[in-house]
Amino acid sequence: DTAVSQTPKYLVTQMGNDKSIKCEQNLGHDTMYWYKQDSKKFLKIMFSYNNKELIINETVPNRFSPKSPDKAHLNLHINSLELGDSAVYFCASSLAGGPETQYFGPGTRLLVL
Amino acid sequence: RKEVEQDPGPFNVPEGATVAFNCTYSNSASQSFFWYRQDCRKEPKLLMSVYSSGNEDGRFTAQLNRASQYISLLIRDSKLSDSATYLCVVGRDDMRFGAGTRLTVKP
Repeated sequence: DTAVSQTPKYLVTQMGNDKSIKCEQNLGHDTMYWYKQDSKKFLKIMFSYNNKELIINETVPNRFSPKSPDKAHLNLHINSLELGDSAVYFCASSLAGGPETQYFGPGTRLLVL
Repeated sequence: RKEVEQDPGPFNVPEGATVAFNCTYSNSASQSFFWYRQDCRKEPKLLMSVYSSGNEDGRFTAQLNRASQYISLLIRDSKLSDSATYLCVVGRDDMRFGAGTRLTVKP
């Protein structure tokens, strides 16, 4: 069973569209995250949620909106997609914050044309 | 200055070689340090934590130099399967990743 799953795995879309990426974890973790890894391979945290509450909101455009319907899910909605949004988006979860119990999902490769 | 800086490499070494990666960080108040491994087109995975006194896990040794704000990872007797990108990470609740150092181990 996959611990942290993301859908879709690949997403190719046009500029200006709105898209969502879904993330689910079956580990019973309290904290979930979204990270962005750009073409230069920098991995940056975007958001962190703990028990459905937003904990970290890094400086990302407000076109990005995370939504946590329950503790096991953290979806990422992106409005008005731009070329610069092309990247790999990783979801992750952890038990109590910190990497020792953190698991990453397989990533969603987003390409905006 | 970037928050976490690493030599991007690539490092190309023969099997059995010893290779060392360095990482510097800008926030002197940082308390938590880690090394991650990321295989091509895969998610990053925790390789090891870095403790103040230095720590070893098999062929891997991590060290921390707080005065110089520098972390290192040493891989001894490198294997083909060690080929990956190694990411330096600083912080716990607000993790800051380096861009990674790419290692290729050749037969």
